[in-house]
Amino acid sequence: DIQLTQSPSFLSASVGDRVTITCRASQGINIFLAWYQQKPGKAPKLLIYAASNLHSGVPSRFSGSGSGTEFTLTISSLQPEDFATYYCQQLSSYPLTFGGGTKVEIK
Amino acid sequence: QVHLVESGGGVVQPGGSLRLSCAASGFIVRSYVMHWVRQAPGKGLEWVASIEKDGINKYYADSVKGRFFVSRDNSKNTLDVQMDRLRGEDTAVYYCAKAILGGHDVDYWGQGTLVAVSS
Repeated sequence: DIQLTQSPSFLSASVGDRVTITCRASQGINIFLAWYQQKPGKAPKLLIYAASNLHSGVPSRFSGSGSGTEFTLTISSLQPEDFATYYCQQLSSYPLTFGGGTKVEIK
Repeated sequence: QVHLVESGGGVVQPGGSLRLSCAASGFIVRSYVMHWVRQAPGKGLEWVASIEKDGINKYYADSVKGRFFVSRDNSKNTLDVQMDRLRGEDTAVYYCAKAILGGHDVDYWGQGTLVAVSS
């Protein structure tokens, strides 16, 4: 099974900050990686698919990069509505797996 | 407009069974990969099961293999999961999820339904 390790697991930042979250896969997954945002009590929302493709309706301050085993999600200028938990997911092979999550909180 | 609505959650005793259903609208279920994903209270997301477009290939997490069974009703445009021999660790919010066209990334999620396994 492919393991995904997200770092950091917790991040404290201010509005306007540039934020980067990393997701490392235990083996190469090409670009089969997605990023989701989840707010408390709500279903997750897709941000990025195929490692770097912005999902429809997602603000352009979100971007994804990487391939193989190392991936990043970047928020160029953190907005108040971005405080949430972020998850990566590999779609390369079953069983599909999620990273442990990164909680972004207000500094 | 895509809409997914789960139903069937509730409280069940350990060893019991429950069947969750997901009513889909705005798209045709048989044209997409569909998933079940769960989230235990205060924990992260866990992929549970998927059914491929062919309706034949089904995949399960090791934690539910042999106990959970995913199915699709093309005439009703619904996705189901039959959950047998439930355990305390199956307690979670269960989400029905639709994959993007031609892929497996989830672009639409239901609101979730809570399953609580407790005596």
